[in-house]
Amino acid sequence: EVQLVQSGAEVKKPGESLKISCKGSGYSFTSYWIGWVRQMPGKGLEWMGIIYPGDSDTRYSPSFQGQVTISADKSISTAYLQWSSLKASDTAMYYCARLWSFNWFDPWGQGTLVTVSS
Amino acid sequence: QSVLTQPPSVSAAPGQKVTISCSGSSSNIGNNYVSWYQQLPGTAPKLLIYENNKRPSGIPDRFSGSKSGTSATLGITGLQTGDEADYYCGTWDSSLSALVVFGGGTKLTVL
Repeated sequence: EVQLVQSGAEVKKPGESLKISCKGSGYSFTSYWIGWVRQMPGKGLEWMGIIYPGDSDTRYSPSFQGQVTISADKSISTAYLQWSSLKASDTAMYYCARLWSFNWFDPWGQGTLVTVSS
Repeated sequence: QSVLTQPPSVSAAPGQKVTISCSGSSSNIGNNYVSWYQQLPGTAPKLLIYENNKRPSGIPDRFSGSKSGTSATLGITGLQTGDEADYYCGTWDSSLSALVVFGGGTKLTVL
């Protein structure tokens, strides 16, 4: 079964750093792009960026370029999303998902809730 | 404000049919495939339709998709209370603003 399993919920203070993870299983992790999607409380889906674990080629949405870093460790089939200095406005649920043919995302991880509060 | 435009909400009675529209432009829907996602309350999005009108294994044929020009439509027949969810359209965008774009989402209420 193809699965993406994300790391658990995080509670952080403004200014702190954070790295959340997304581990793939059941398929060749290096052969498919992985995307990250933000969903702020009560809001819709926002695409943040994608990474190809095979060679770490990464593309960012202009809205998130410079705000986050997407990376991957193919040796452990895991993609990451990280912040160097969190803001309260980063409070959201973050999903990873496998990208097919530069067209659709399937499957999705279960989501990681990030709460940033002083 | 989302690049793709969806109605904020739709509603219908159990057993009825509903359609959800998704409007874009030539840089996204007009020249790319559309996918649809269902997000049940408190859960992650789930793929419902890909390549405009194809259903993944396990998705019942009550769900259908179509595309015409720069718009796409999700149809759901034989509505069930379990279909109450948020529905999102998504596609690739060829402009410089973003590679992947989603609609703002439509809340389906089954009365």
